[in-house]
Amino acid sequence: DTAVSQTPKYLVTQMGNDKSIKCEQNLGHDTMYWYKQDSKKFLKIMFSYNNKELIINETVPNRFSPKSPDKAHLNLHINSLELGDSAVYFCASSHSGLAGGPRNEQFFGPGTRLTVL
Amino acid sequence: GENVEQHPSTLSVQEGDSAVIKCTYSDSASNYFPWYKQELGKRPQLIIDIRSNVGEKKDQRIAVTLNKTAKHFSLHITETQPEDSAVYFCAAYSGSARQLTFGSGTQLTVLP
Repeated sequence: DTAVSQTPKYLVTQMGNDKSIKCEQNLGHDTMYWYKQDSKKFLKIMFSYNNKELIINETVPNRFSPKSPDKAHLNLHINSLELGDSAVYFCASSHSGLAGGPRNEQFFGPGTRLTVL
Repeated sequence: GENVEQHPSTLSVQEGDSAVIKCTYSDSASNYFPWYKQELGKRPQLIIDIRSNVGEKKDQRIAVTLNKTAKHFSLHITETQPEDSAVYFCAAYSGSARQLTFGSGTQLTVLP
């Protein structure tokens, strides 16, 4: 009965490779997110997405792209991996707010630790 | 865009003492302020949140206060216990950016 799940939990890969991280939520939420947490624990939003709109943080390189096959899934594709991409990536989901803000809390997945060698 | 500053970055207290973590935000349109707790190796989890139409909210040993005029909000933990040790993040939801912006985190250590 996991609310937000991610696979894989750990991902070790060589520089230059292309990889994907999968995320699924069973909460019936309409909005999903990807965050990057670096070694200093900073949590930065990368993308937020619902079935109407994709909002991209302007600092995210275009090597990163979200793909949503349906409302319950938001996968993260990363092309040409670089050393600086090493981090923990968290998926999250929430209901979108009527006034434009989250009506409820954002639930986070367990995280995927990506290591680029 | 929104900018959230959080202080202190590390905080050590004796078990039973209180802990206070402070955050400031820049976007006056921000209207939702959650606090997350992240234990080592785990996911961030919401512990309390406050909306801009409320000045204070309390849930057992934790409380949050919000000063909209000064654009700052604080987390208060009373009667701290060793299991309160974790990284705490404040965040602000910006209506203009339509996303949560997190503070840099506070590593709280409760000494037995």
